[in-house]
Amino acid sequence: ELKVEQNPLFLSMQEGKNYTIYCNYSTTSDRLYWYRQDPGKSLESLFVLLSNGAVKQEGRLMASLDTKARLSTLHITAAVHDLSATYFCAVDIIQGAQKLVFGQGTRLTINP
Amino acid sequence: EAGVVQSPRYKIIEKKQPVAFWCNPISGHNTLYWYRQNLGQGPELLIRYENEEAVDDSQLPKDRFSAERLKGVDSTLKIQPAELGDSAVYLCASSARTSGGSYEQYFGPGTRLTVT
Repeated sequence: ELKVEQNPLFLSMQEGKNYTIYCNYSTTSDRLYWYRQDPGKSLESLFVLLSNGAVKQEGRLMASLDTKARLSTLHITAAVHDLSATYFCAVDIIQGAQKLVFGQGTRLTINP
Repeated sequence: EAGVVQSPRYKIIEKKQPVAFWCNPISGHNTLYWYRQNLGQGPELLIRYENEEAVDDSQLPKDRFSAERLKGVDSTLKIQPAELGDSAVYLCASSARTSGGSYEQYFGPGTRLTVT
């Protein structure tokens, strides 16, 4: 059974600090997606990672993919309150079909 | 460009009643997905359409759930009869192939269903 596990599930941090969210998965895949979800809202696409070693950056967020280790990371640099949200990783398990299996989500709270 | 549109946004029904959700995908997106998101969890795929064809419905509880996508555009997801455990947010998403050869799913705002 495919598992997509995020760590940690809950994260409370102060503004200005750095932290990393981890996404481990149990199947072979070279396509991984990161989404953001604000309370009561839908999912917003953040990053699309399509190959081993892929690295994408947008503002204070940077995502990377290591397909050999079956691991993706979402790194937050100098966190600000606006980044408070729940972050999901999703693994595409069937090439060409875009069948996504989501992790449980990491609820991130950034305190002033 | 308009995003994925869903209605209603909220629905409260009693158990054993029927309910239907509607989705209008982004124009030109051939692939449409229905997901269910339980509280505190990630979305789980229920069904995926390629144009009018349901190409993956392996996780759709077919005894009570049904879906259709007429003319390959709008889609409707129905539950009959609803059970307490069906309380969740039902998300619709659509995707198309990008110029880079990948797919990216765009999600609608969801319908929050409460079954009492």
